[in-house]
Order: sequence, then structure tokens, then C-alpha cells
Amino acid sequence: DTGVSQNPRHKITKRGQNVTFRCDPISEHNRLYWYRQTLGQGPEFLTYFQNEAQLEKSRLLSDRFSAERPKGSFSTLEIQRTEQGDSAMYLCASSSPQDIYEQYFGPGTRLTVT
Amino acid sequence: AQTVTQSQPEMSVQEAETVTLSCTYDTSENNYYLFWYKQPPSRQMILVIRQEAYKQQNATENRFSVNFQKAAKSFSLKISDSQLGDTAMYFCAFMKHEAGNTPLVFGKGTRLSVIA
Repeated sequence: DTGVSQNPRHKITKRGQNVTFRCDPISEHNRLYWYRQTLGQGPEFLTYFQNEAQLEKSRLLSDRFSAERPKGSFSTLEIQRTEQGDSAMYLCASSSPQDIYEQYFGPGTRLTVT
Repeated sequence: AQTVTQSQPEMSVQEAETVTLSCTYDTSENNYYLFWYKQPPSRQMILVIRQEAYKQQNATENRFSVNFQKAAKSFSLKISDSQLGDTAMYFCAFMKHEAGNTPLVFGKGTRLSVIA
């Protein structure tokens, strides 16, 4: 078991560009979460998948954000028309059916919008 | 809505000493979980300890223990025999006990520095 992985680890983009991040959860973890962490703050919930179904989205997830988990394994988070306010660390976490209350986090993708 | 408050933005402790990090939370739920997560510099967040609200006994994990006061909605973390590797951001987090979506609600964190 290699843990939760995220790619890329760092992304620098210009305002107005689209970016996509990938998260690979721990094998057989059916729940997957995306969080956003800005400087000096704790992570904030963005969205949640159970298998391939996106079951909840935070009000923080504007229309420019979209997330998918097409086969119930890896997930992608896309941000369209990036803004400077999107600069943050984007964290992915997963949990297993046997213990839905323990979330394992990936290393995150740090996005910088210039 | 649940909120988690960590009132100590930064703390420091001498190596081998004991330090306590504070956390309070607000909720109308009766069943929930509380967690302390550690985020070392440039490394991923890992779970330190967790407490089920229905359990009166405080959780312990080696050098880490909690003081859970349900009525006061307080959940502090005690680190004994502090080590240099304990240097990190520590986040207190809340999770409702339910079968559906169980996102974590985090505090703003406490930056702990262990000094040699």
C-alpha cells in the first residue's frame, strides 16, 4: 500500500488558464475527499465521492471547479479560468469501507496563480 | 454548523519536555469524532490520535494523549517527552458520526516547534 498520491505536487499557472489535478487514493478506499488549504488556515472541505458518485459539494466549490471520479478509483479536480484567489494547497483524502471515520491524506498539490 | 477553535497559533517546547495544545469546538451533535492531525513541514498530514465522543476514557497513543471534556467541548492534546520530529503544524478536527458524507472540520492549527 503506497498511500494517497497526488500529481502534480506544484503547479504555477497564469490567471485565466485551466488546471487539472489528479488524486490516486489508497487501493479499495471507496470514499474520496477534496479539501483546500490556504495559508494560515486549516483544510476546508470541497467535495466528496463515494465510489464514482459525487455526493456532496461545498459552497466553496464555485462553477469554475469540477471534480470527477469516473471509475471509482482516481479522481481529478479541474479549475477553469483560474483566479489569484484560487492559490492554495489542494488536498485529497480517502477512507475505507471498514473505517469511514479515518481519512488518509495525500501530500497535496500547491497551486500558485500569477 | 460545527466550528473548531485553536487559540494558540504558535507554541514551542524544549526537547524531552511536555506540551499541551488546546482545542475547543462547537456542535449540537451528540455523536461525533475528534481528531488531532500532524502536518510536518512540506510533508503530508497524518493522524495522531482520535477520540469517539461516546467514550469517556481519554485516548492515548504512545507519547500522545488527549484530555476530552465533552460538557466543556474541549479536546486538548498532550505530547510527552517531546522530540525534534514532533515539530509540525497540529490541527484539531471534528467529524459527525453518520453513515453518509463525513468531512472533517478543521481548526486553524497550532505551529509547534521543539527546541533542542
